[in-house]
Amino acid sequence: DVKVTQSSRYLVKRTGEKVFLECVQDMDHENMFWYRQDPGLGLRLIYFSYDVKMKEKGDIPEGYSVSREKKERFSLILESASTNQTSMYLCASSLYSYEQYFGPGTRLTVT
Amino acid sequence: SQQGEEDPQALSIQEGENATMNCSYKTSINNLQWYRQNSGRGLVHLILIRSNEREKHSGRLRVTLDTSKKSSSLLITASRAADTASYFCATDASKEYGNKLVFGAGTILRVKS
Repeated sequence: DVKVTQSSRYLVKRTGEKVFLECVQDMDHENMFWYRQDPGLGLRLIYFSYDVKMKEKGDIPEGYSVSREKKERFSLILESASTNQTSMYLCASSLYSYEQYFGPGTRLTVT
Repeated sequence: SQQGEEDPQALSIQEGENATMNCSYKTSINNLQWYRQNSGRGLVHLILIRSNEREKHSGRLRVTLDTSKKSSSLLITASRAADTASYFCATDASKEYGNKLVFGAGTILRVKS
């Protein structure tokens, strides 16, 4: 059974803080993704990675960076958190061009 | 850019009825996928239909794809209260590496018991 885990379900940070969101998958998937989900906007892709140390910008990369040092782990970094980054963050992984497997999500509040 | 657009935005039906959700997209695709999300949780993959397929079934789910109209529909038959969730279509138009999906805003389905 594929498992994608995220480091926190709920997170509260202050404006200007550096925030790390961790995602780990246990199925040896090449591809990993970070999305944010906001009401009425669906899921929007922030960054994705198709191999270790490889990363590609998604549709809304501004204000975010990522790191993939090991195949199973994909980290999302908010360099200086802002209130407009309050959102639900979802990590996913996939094998080749098949379905994506999602983690449970991290609800981040920036105050 | 948002490619998949679901219709309707919200749907409320009685248990036992069928639920139909539609999705339209803008460019040519490799495949189209449907996902379900229970409140406050991650998404769960339901079904994938490739661009050369027209219809696919999985249990109580039936998906159709019309590439000439750039549209897809998801039919849930004999709905149950447990089907209450948000449903998203996602299109894969990747040309190179990875399978970047573009999600629609979703349809909120409520099944009343």
